[in-house]
Amino acid sequence: GIQVEQSPPDLILQEGANSTLRCNFSDSVNNLQWFHQNPWGQLINLFYIPSGTKQNGRLSATTVATERYSLLYISSSQTTDSGVYFCAFLTGGGNKLTFGTGTQLKVEL
Amino acid sequence: GAGVSQSPSNKVTEKGKDVELRCDPISGHTALYWYRQSLGQGLEFLIYFQGNSAPDKSGLPSDRFSAERTGGSVSTLTIQRTQQEDSAVYLCASVRGGNTEAFFGQGTRLTVV
Repeated sequence: GIQVEQSPPDLILQEGANSTLRCNFSDSVNNLQWFHQNPWGQLINLFYIPSGTKQNGRLSATTVATERYSLLYISSSQTTDSGVYFCAFLTGGGNKLTFGTGTQLKVEL
Repeated sequence: GAGVSQSPSNKVTEKGKDVELRCDPISGHTALYWYRQSLGQGLEFLIYFQGNSAPDKSGLPSDRFSAERTGGSVSTLTIQRTQQEDSAVYLCASVRGGNTEAFFGQGTRLTVV
């Protein structure tokens, strides 16, 4: 199956800093999503981004499907941004939502 | 409803008891998924329902686990004779169909004592 790798695995930021999280996948995907799992375990949809660039407030994401990667940008980070960030996609038949390895982010004051 | 709803939010059960976890997907979503997440781990696929097709049960870890989806809407995940290793957060997601965006419920935290 398609392999998904995220980097970095762990990240500590000072509040106000910017960061870029990366998701690499081993084959073409056409329905990539980014999720934020907050400290209470809830998965929050950030972006549905099969290709191109989207922005939502301090967050933006870019997927370059032909080069098999997606980036999530966090600007002016806040402590509430802490948690785990996952990229994920549905396999061609829609049978399984495959998750990346995740990036554990901690934003400190 | 407006989002995917799961119940209960928390469940503590004694080893050997059976438990039922419920998922109410977004109205009109044809696909429904169950995942579980053990403490500090990633998400583990359990089962997938798509419309009236036979479910993909390839992720169920043992025959103690079963799930059904009635009327193409609400789903129940049943764990029989629970074991301590079943302790995890069980997450449900629904998708409108056609390989589009998945939405998750808030999860059920199961603790087997």
